Amino acid sequence: DAGVTQSPTHLIKTRGQQVTLRCSPISGHKSVSWYQQVLGQGPQFIFQYYEKEERGRGNFPDRFSARQFPNYSSELNVNALLLGDSALYLCASSFSPAFANTGELFFGEGSRLTVL
Amino acid sequence: AQTVTQSQPEMSVQEAETVTLSCTYDTSENNYYLFWYKQPPSRQMILVIRQEAYKQQNATENRFSVNFQKAAKSFSLKISDSQLGDTAMYFCAFIQGAQKLVFGQGTRLTINP
Repeated sequence: DAGVTQSPTHLIKTRGQQVTLRCSPISGHKSVSWYQQVLGQGPQFIFQYYEKEERGRGNFPDRFSARQFPNYSSELNVNALLLGDSALYLCASSFSPAFANTGELFFGEGSRLTVL
Repeated sequence: AQTVTQSQPEMSVQEAETVTLSCTYDTSENNYYLFWYKQPPSRQMILVIRQEAYKQQNATENRFSVNFQKAAKSFSLKISDSQLGDTAMYFCAFIQGAQKLVFGQGTRLTINP
């Protein structure tokens, strides 16, 4: 079975542009979370979606937004890109938010965003 | 605020040796979960081991074990008989409320042949 898939794997943008990152969860998983990992640091929580509704949001500006589709895939959008948005963006899926407690939270390989 | 601190940015040991990675955390809650994740160069975060805070017994998974000291808010990872494939970034993480993982800054572990 396919794991969590993310696209694109790498992309380069310039300041002020907008970017959309995509995530397909493991089949049957209804919860998707997004994390930002700046080089040399641990991941930081951005959003959690479950059953197409936002269940949690981290300390990120309104330039960051996300949504979850009826097939449970998800998109993360970042507007007005800043140099500091350069990072690895990780998507993780689970059957439900509660499964994250059990360790049944599976990560994709991430999308590496570089902002010039 | 919930925080996780890993005080060892880098560690290096010889193959077959035992290595211990340190982690401390801060929370006022009583029911939570702790994890160690491994991130190899492939970038995918992989769960190594999990500990439930209400369980006093330390978790063990093959060559990986933890020393969980709840009162001290300490959660260290011991890797026995280290292998070249253990080379990776290791992150200590905390979750409470089934919402978000809070990660530490990571420890870069290198296993030398």
